[in-house]
Amino acid sequence: DTGVSQDPRHKITKRGQNVTFRCDPISEHNRLYWYRQTLGQGPEFLTYFQNEAQLEKSRLLSDRFSAERPKGSFSTLEIQRTEQGDSAMYLCASSSTGFRENSPLHFGNGTRLTVT
Amino acid sequence: QKEVEQDPGPLSVPEGAIVSLNCTYSNSAFQYFMWYRQYSRKGPELLMYTYSSGNKEDGRFTAQVDKSSKYISLFIRDSQPSDSATYLCAMSRNGANNLFFGTGTRLTVIP
Repeated sequence: DTGVSQDPRHKITKRGQNVTFRCDPISEHNRLYWYRQTLGQGPEFLTYFQNEAQLEKSRLLSDRFSAERPKGSFSTLEIQRTEQGDSAMYLCASSSTGFRENSPLHFGNGTRLTVT
Repeated sequence: QKEVEQDPGPLSVPEGAIVSLNCTYSNSAFQYFMWYRQYSRKGPELLMYTYSSGNKEDGRFTAQVDKSSKYISLFIRDSQPSDSATYLCAMSRNGANNLFFGTGTRLTVIP
């Protein structure tokens, strides 16, 4: 399977702990996106990278959140001092430059975070 | 007011029925419109993509965009039990950078 891969699939952590998620995009895609989805809601945009450059960040991305894509390939999303409100599905997606009909966003299956 | 409104359902239909799913939006700058299907515990999967107003058909699926009414629709013909999923509308101003999603409509197709 050469789709978007996310790890881990599930993470349970205690409030105040730090967590880190990893995303491996489709290999030829240079854009990578992070979205957050809470129960019963649609995904919400967090941030995106073109190659290694982080080009846009949502206001949802508080200073406890940091995302990196150091070599323009895989990306990590770290949440520091987790809060119960951080419990959600964190989705990663990738695409090629210039959104065209043949370059849609391909989503991974997400990392489900539960903060207790 | 949310930028994209979508009835969460749930919606139950018998197999073979025509399904109509809809979203409304408030931002007239949206130009790209998409429908995603999401199965339980999976990521969203792109079904349909439309630029600006008009219709697009792909097999049993038809997407319609009416920018004058700020209203988009997805029709599913001859619905199958395998179509049971949550359907999310999404839209953006300038392509894929920042998609605005609806809440999703949960559909069940009963055999």
